Amino acid sequence: AQKITQTQPGMFVQEKEAVTLDCTYDTSDQSYGLFWYKQPSSGEMIFLIYQGSYDEQNATEGRYSLNFQKARKSANLVISASQLGDSAMYFCAMRANTGFQKLVFGTGTRLLVSP
Amino acid sequence: GAGVSQSPRYKVAKRGQDVALRCDPISGHVSLFWYQQALGQGPEFLTYFQNEAQLDKSGLPSDRFFAERPEGSVSTLKIQRTQQEDSAVYLCASSLAGKGPPSQPQHFGDGTRLSIL
Repeated sequence: AQKITQTQPGMFVQEKEAVTLDCTYDTSDQSYGLFWYKQPSSGEMIFLIYQGSYDEQNATEGRYSLNFQKARKSANLVISASQLGDSAMYFCAMRANTGFQKLVFGTGTRLLVSP
Repeated sequence: GAGVSQSPRYKVAKRGQDVALRCDPISGHVSLFWYQQALGQGPEFLTYFQNEAQLDKSGLPSDRFFAERPEGSVSTLKIQRTQQEDSAVYLCASSLAGKGPPSQPQHFGDGTRLSIL
């Protein structure tokens, strides 16, 4: 079984500052993928970034980077230079690379960016 | 449109009524997933289709929930004899292939917000 834990219900950051959203996971699978999604108030889940369990380098996508520490089973999302439009719910998710690849999500972190 | 389309956007039903939620995935996407998102929670997997075949329905909470994708494109999630605990946002997602590159993301629709009175 897979489990995702997000311990921060809410985070506050000032515009233009960096913020780290925490995610730890538990799985017995050797090969898996980790994802971060953003969910604005409109409800759509927007894919942000992906990290494979065998990737040696941390993933980056524009202002998003993933701090992957495999031994600690953590996959924290770092958002640099926060913008007002970054205010949303953020979900960490994982899936095994075997089977049918359903996503297992955490409970999410609400990020509020202030001017 | 280019994205996953779900309808209706909002649905209100009385307890005991049947409801049907529609998902139109991205054209050409083989895999289709349904998730249920309760208020303040992350989405939870309900069921998975590869083309028209329903390969995993382990997340369906009861036999009142039924999903189909008869022609391998549009999918319908049906809930019979709705209960108050069925109130949630129902999200549909699609991806290009069932066992493609592990990095391929699932693309989500805006969801259907279901309220049972």
